[in-house]
Amino acid sequence: ETGVTQSPTHLIKTRGQQVTLRCSSQSGHNTVSWYQQALGQGPQFIFQYYREEENGRGNFPPRFSGLQFPNYSSELNVNALELDDSALYLCASSYRTSGDYEQYFGPGTRLTVT
Amino acid sequence: AQSVTQLGSHVSVSEGALVLLRCNYSSSVPPYLFWYVQYPNQGLQLLLKYTTGATLVKGINGFEAEFKKSETSFHLTKPSAHMSDAAEYFCAVSLSGSARQLTFGSGTQLTVLP
Repeated sequence: ETGVTQSPTHLIKTRGQQVTLRCSSQSGHNTVSWYQQALGQGPQFIFQYYREEENGRGNFPPRFSGLQFPNYSSELNVNALELDDSALYLCASSYRTSGDYEQYFGPGTRLTVT
Repeated sequence: AQSVTQLGSHVSVSEGALVLLRCNYSSSVPPYLFWYVQYPNQGLQLLLKYTTGATLVKGINGFEAEFKKSETSFHLTKPSAHMSDAAEYFCAVSLSGSARQLTFGSGTQLTVLP
């Protein structure tokens, strides 16, 4: 049990709508990363937040945005949903040190856009 | 930029047989390498990682992997497959740096036959 939780588990939205996904990091972790996993593919990095600031972004458009809160919980917001946004969204928390750090993944939120 | 190639999207082995899942990476600098496992409707669980030091890395559940720089490979092995090993396996690479984002391969679905 990694301690990373995500809500909701499943979500169905209509094209053009907006969605907010939530992640609660493991206790003591100050960094959160979000990944999109389309069906049959490996996860793709969306962005990372460290101490409430975006710290790295993958090849995703600006309609994908995020927040990290002082308690290190996090949100992923997606505006103007498209059919291709249908995927499993994973968050991963970690504690940044000067060395490598391990990312602990939550169970994911399955988003379906119709 | 870094990339990961997993050879074989589906691998089937008999229970008790050797498991070999292949991963090759491309990186301009020394990478950190990871293997993750994903069971149905769950997030990702870290099996093992290579950062520096010993090139043969042992992980959980009897898995191990060897970093071969000359071959740019990080293949995952297990001497004897169990039914419970059936899952999807992802190889991932990250570079030292501030973001430490993970770049994943497309995954290998392992089936264990009785």
